[in-house]
Amino acid sequence: DAGVTQSPTHLIKTRGQHVTLRCSPISGHKSVSWYQQVLGQGPQFIFQYYEKEERGRGNFPDRFSARQFPNYSSELNVNALLLGDSALYLCASTEIPQSPNEKLFFGSGTQLSVL
Amino acid sequence: AQSVTQLGSHVSVSEGALVLLRCNYSSSVPPYLFWYVQYPNQGLQLLLKYTTGATLVKGINGFEAEFKKSETSFHLTKPSAHMSDAAEYFCAVRKDSGNTPLVFGKGTRLSVIA
Repeated sequence: DAGVTQSPTHLIKTRGQHVTLRCSPISGHKSVSWYQQVLGQGPQFIFQYYEKEERGRGNFPDRFSARQFPNYSSELNVNALLLGDSALYLCASTEIPQSPNEKLFFGSGTQLSVL
Repeated sequence: AQSVTQLGSHVSVSEGALVLLRCNYSSSVPPYLFWYVQYPNQGLQLLLKYTTGATLVKGINGFEAEFKKSETSFHLTKPSAHMSDAAEYFCAVRKDSGNTPLVFGKGTRLSVIA
């Protein structure tokens, strides 16, 4: 079975532009989470979706938005890009979020560079 | 709120030596604790986790960690380092209930010297 897949793997944008990142979860997983990992830091939680509904939101500005589709894939959108948005964006999927036996499976990420 | 502190942003050990990566947590309620590993250009992979029960947890690749409530610690160890263990290691915490996500530490880069 395929793992969590993310596209694109690398992306270069300029300040003020908009970006859309995509994630396909492991087959059978209904929950997707997004994390931002700035160079030298640990991943920071952005959003979690389960069954197409938002289940959690981290401390990120409204420029960040996401959605989950009926096939459980997900998009992360970032508007009005800033230099500080440059980071590795990780997607993780799980069967049932925040259950005692929850196990997150991470994709390899999308490396976003904002110039 | 939960938080994690990883002591030492970079640890270097010789091949065959003991690996010890330190993690201390802060949580107002009993926590779930995790260690993840990240190899270059890859996502994170779960090494082990503590939820309830036995405080010594064994994970993949010969790693283990012990939950010590009195010390609020969850240090990661491996008796003998391999070159393939060189990677970034992240400790993470989550409340054992409620709608809360993982909170990660800043990571510790492990280098293994031949």
